[in-house]
Amino acid sequence: AQSVAQPEDQVNVAEGNPLTVKCTYSVSGNPYLFWYVQYPNRGLQFLLKYITGDNLVKGSYGFEAEFNKSQTSFHLKKPSALVSDSALYFCAGRTAYSGAGSYQLTFGKGTKLSVIP
Amino acid sequence: IAGITQAPTSQILAAGRRMTLRCTQDMRHNAMYWYRQDLGLGLRLIHYSNTAGTTGKGEVPDGYSVSRANTDDFPLTLASAVPSQTSVYFCASSPLASSTDTQYFGPGTRLTVL
Repeated sequence: AQSVAQPEDQVNVAEGNPLTVKCTYSVSGNPYLFWYVQYPNRGLQFLLKYITGDNLVKGSYGFEAEFNKSQTSFHLKKPSALVSDSALYFCAGRTAYSGAGSYQLTFGKGTKLSVIP
Repeated sequence: IAGITQAPTSQILAAGRRMTLRCTQDMRHNAMYWYRQDLGLGLRLIHYSNTAGTTGKGEVPDGYSVSRANTDDFPLTLASAVPSQTSVYFCASSPLASSTDTQYFGPGTRLTVL
């Protein structure tokens, strides 16, 4: 079974400060990991993904994430937070096709990011 | 703008009624998915379709059915709605049924079952 955990329900950060939203995973085999952002009353928007290669992945809106295999983590980061980054962030993961029929993404429960002016 | 449309945006439904949530994508993606989002639980897969003409059950399929008659449309039907099906429903699609493909999400349908 695969699982994705986001240990923090909420993260508060001052505008201009660096931000980190944490994600850990438990999947068999090589993990494929994704970050999505959800603004109020909107659908999920794709930010970035890790498939293979460089452990530092760069994505949309200045976000990046670092894949750490030894710590089974995929934390989302941004060097300087904006008030407009305030949203709900979801980490998701899956492994290679297992023959079960679905390329199901397993989602974490989400982390609410509040950037304080 | 290309993407996924869902209808209705929101709906209040009496328990026991039948309801179909509509999902249409214009990206010619092969794979489509239905998720429900509940507070504190994240998103959970209800049903999926790897290609037109095929469907499969996800993590929480009970009480829901789907069909995939063509590439673009993937309706989700609640045959007899119950209050526990109150949720926000998201349709998603990906170019291929692949482990590495990104899934793209629609704007969601907020459903309340009374």
